[in-house]
Amino acid sequence: GAGVSQTPSNKVTEKGKYVELRCDPISGHTALYWYRQSLGQGPEFLIYFQGTGAADDSGLPNDRFFAVRPEGSVSTLKIQRTERGDSAVYLCASSFLGGRAPDTQYFGPGTRLTVL
Amino acid sequence: AQSVTQLDSQVPVFEEAPVELRCNYSSSVSVYLFWYVQYPNQGLQLLLKYLSGSTLVKGINGFEAEFNKSQTSFHLRKPSVHISDTAEYFCAVLLGGSQGNLIFGKGTKLSVKP
Repeated sequence: GAGVSQTPSNKVTEKGKYVELRCDPISGHTALYWYRQSLGQGPEFLIYFQGTGAADDSGLPNDRFFAVRPEGSVSTLKIQRTERGDSAVYLCASSFLGGRAPDTQYFGPGTRLTVL
Repeated sequence: AQSVTQLDSQVPVFEEAPVELRCNYSSSVSVYLFWYVQYPNQGLQLLLKYLSGSTLVKGINGFEAEFNKSQTSFHLRKPSVHISDTAEYFCAVLLGGSQGNLIFGKGTKLSVKP
């Protein structure tokens, strides 16, 4: 079946602009995660959704970052007033259960964000 | 704070040689352990995972890993590598009782040469 998809695959923007990154999880997966991978680093957790609600947003770096999942499926990561330091690959993952179950997370190909 | 350390950032090996990619973690609570592989221009793919039971875990493409609780390690091994194994490998930890966010190491780039 279809895996996790992310759009766009690449996004170039100017400092100060607003961007939206989209994630389509695997159908039926209740949990959705956003991670950020900077150059030479492993992915770092940003936020986790269980259904429509953000169960853990402790990884969001500041209030310029926000994410929604209004219908419990597609999620959008929103970044306001982008800064050059926001340049990274943004990864989305989904899993069937989430929560405290040691569930396999399936990752999308990522969106490469470049802030000029 | 919990962390994952991958001791080697790059590992070059010749084709058909054995390889071990090292991973250590620090945690005072129970953990679940994962290895993911990232091929060039592709997303992360699960290689194998340890949840409970036998400490020796077998994964896809002939890889295996052994969970060692006393040494807090989860090293990845393959007895004979192929050119196609060239990729970046990430070790990750899921803390018991956490909300599900993985903690990743910085990755190890495996380069297999003919």
